[in-house]
Formats: sequence, C-alpha cells, structure tokens
Amino acid sequence: NAGVMQNPRHLVRRRGQEARLRCSPMKGHSHVYWYRQLPEEGLKFMVYLQKENIIDESGMPKERFSAEFPKEGPSILRIQQVVRGDSAAYFCASSPVLAEYNEQFFGPGTRLTVL
Amino acid sequence: KNQVEQSPQSLIILEGKNCTLQCNYTVSPFSNLRWYKQDTGRGPVSLTIMTFSENTKSNGRYTATLDADTKQSSLHITASQLSDSASYICVVSERGSQGNLIFGKGTKLSVKP
Repeated sequence: NAGVMQNPRHLVRRRGQEARLRCSPMKGHSHVYWYRQLPEEGLKFMVYLQKENIIDESGMPKERFSAEFPKEGPSILRIQQVVRGDSAAYFCASSPVLAEYNEQFFGPGTRLTVL
Repeated sequence: KNQVEQSPQSLIILEGKNCTLQCNYTVSPFSNLRWYKQDTGRGPVSLTIMTFSENTKSNGRYTATLDADTKQSSLHITASQLSDSASYICVVSERGSQGNLIFGKGTKLSVKP
C-alpha cells in the first residue's frame, strides 16, 4: 500500500505564473488536508477536502488559491499568479475517516520556489 | 489565540543519551495532542496521539506525557540513535475542528556519535 504521493517534489515558477500541486492519498482514504510550511515556521492548515467537497478552507488565502478533490484523480492545490511570498513547502495528508482522533498520513511535500 | 509552543528550539546530544522535549499549548477546546517526527526534506510521521484522558503513551524508545490541566506535554527519547536526528513537532487538535491540526515550530534534535 503506497503512502501519500505528491508531485512534483520541487517546482520553480516565475512571479505571475500558475503553480499546480498534486496529491494522491493513500488507497482507501477519502479525506485530504493541505498544509503550508514557510521557512523556519511550523506547518499551517490550509484546507480540508472530502471527495468532491471542500469541508473547511478557513486557512486558505481568499485570493489566488484554490483546491479540489475530484471523484477521480488526485487532489489539486492551485496557486494563480504566484508571488515570492508563496515560496514554501506544501504538504498533503490523508486519512480514511474524519481525522479529529485518527492519524493523518503525510506526503513528502512539494517545495515551491518563486523567482 | 490557539498556539503551540515548543522548547528548546534545538538540541544536540551524544548517541546513547536520553533527552526530553517540551510542549505548551493554549488550544481550547482541546481534542488531542500528537507528536510527529520530521526528517529533513520529508513529511511528518506520527509518533503518538493522546486524548484528554491519557497521561502517557509509548512508542518504542519514545514516551510522550500529557498534563491537560497545565496544558503541557513532553516527549522523552531513550538511548538516542543517530537516526533520531530530526525535527520533533508537537501538534494539537481543537475539538470540533474536523481535523485542522495546530503545529508547533518543532525542536530540531541532532544526535552526534
């Protein structure tokens, strides 16, 4: 059973371009969470999705950021018109059920660098 | 404001020695507290999860304690190994938050031969 997969592992974009980060949860997991880790900071919650639904997006910036988890395929975190402040590591986690008490399994992260 | 504070920021110990990492939190209402290990360039890996009623939980050489009254937790590592070099992150879940975890900044542990 493969773990949580994220791609690409490293992504370089110029200011104003779009960044698309992908996350494939563990097999059988229908809950996906996205976190952002700025340099020297702890991970910060961005968004929580179940298949085809956004459950909680309270941590996601209102502009330029969007997330989806379609019925088929990976979850996508999309950042439009990237700025230098978007440079960070973006981690995805998945769980089989609502994870308030259950473990979240993390992927290896995507490191985004905005030039 | 919900916060998780960890100390020390970094720690260097010799292989074979024990160490204890500290975590204080202000998250309310409290659901559970987790300790994660994060190797450089990797995602966090869960070590322990404790709910309000649990005072201690072990996972091999890792033992976590929780005092929900004082809102403090510790992670004790016994007989450290070189592979224990990593960041150790204290994470608290707010009750009813649907899985939104609040992370500390971590303690960076270096184990030297």
